[in-house]
Amino acid sequence: AQSVAQPEDQVNVAEGNPLTVKCTYSVSGNPYLFWYVQYPNRGLQFLLKYITGDNLVKGSYGFEAEFNKSQTSFHLKKPSALVSDSALYFCAVIKGSKGGKLIFGQGTELSVKP
Amino acid sequence: GAVVSQHPSWVICKSGTSVKIECRSLDFQATTMFWYRQFPKQSLMLMATSNEGSKATYEQGVEKDKFLINHASLTLSTLTVTSAHPEDSSFYICSARLRLGNYEQYFGPGTRLTVT
Repeated sequence: AQSVAQPEDQVNVAEGNPLTVKCTYSVSGNPYLFWYVQYPNRGLQFLLKYITGDNLVKGSYGFEAEFNKSQTSFHLKKPSALVSDSALYFCAVIKGSKGGKLIFGQGTELSVKP
Repeated sequence: GAVVSQHPSWVICKSGTSVKIECRSLDFQATTMFWYRQFPKQSLMLMATSNEGSKATYEQGVEKDKFLINHASLTLSTLTVTSAHPEDSSFYICSARLRLGNYEQYFGPGTRLTVT
């Protein structure tokens, strides 16, 4: 069964430091992987996706993610965190065909302190 | 492009009443829309998949008679919570997909429902 795991409920980072939000996946076949960010009382905003091609994917707001097939991971990274990056982050995978449902991880709350 | 709106953004209703939430794709036609429910600081739980012109497909454990979904046009899907109870209080989020076989989903801003 397709699934996504985000092993950390919360990540704390000092402003200006690099950040990593972890995600591992379990799928059959080629994975379609996504990262979304959610600010309080708001819907989800798309950050980036991996479908095929380069393992390093660059997305919105300076975020990037690295697809690692051998480790079945898709960690989200940013070289220098901002206080405004504080939010809830979700990793997701498409279940089944590319037209299938999104399966979300449990979410990781990122807190960036000044 | 690919903007999805929801209305209302928040609603308070009394127990036993029904409330309707609208999800609109503003600048594209969506053959499929999805409805999610989210509890505070938790993940999104898919409730149902709505295809234009056909009945919605509900996830296991979601009461179809309680959560009525209508996808009457390519730009509008509605979720009606019937006979609402306090336990139905939640954040409801919709998303829209451009067409079958396309993996992109575009999310609405969500609707906060509080049942008193």
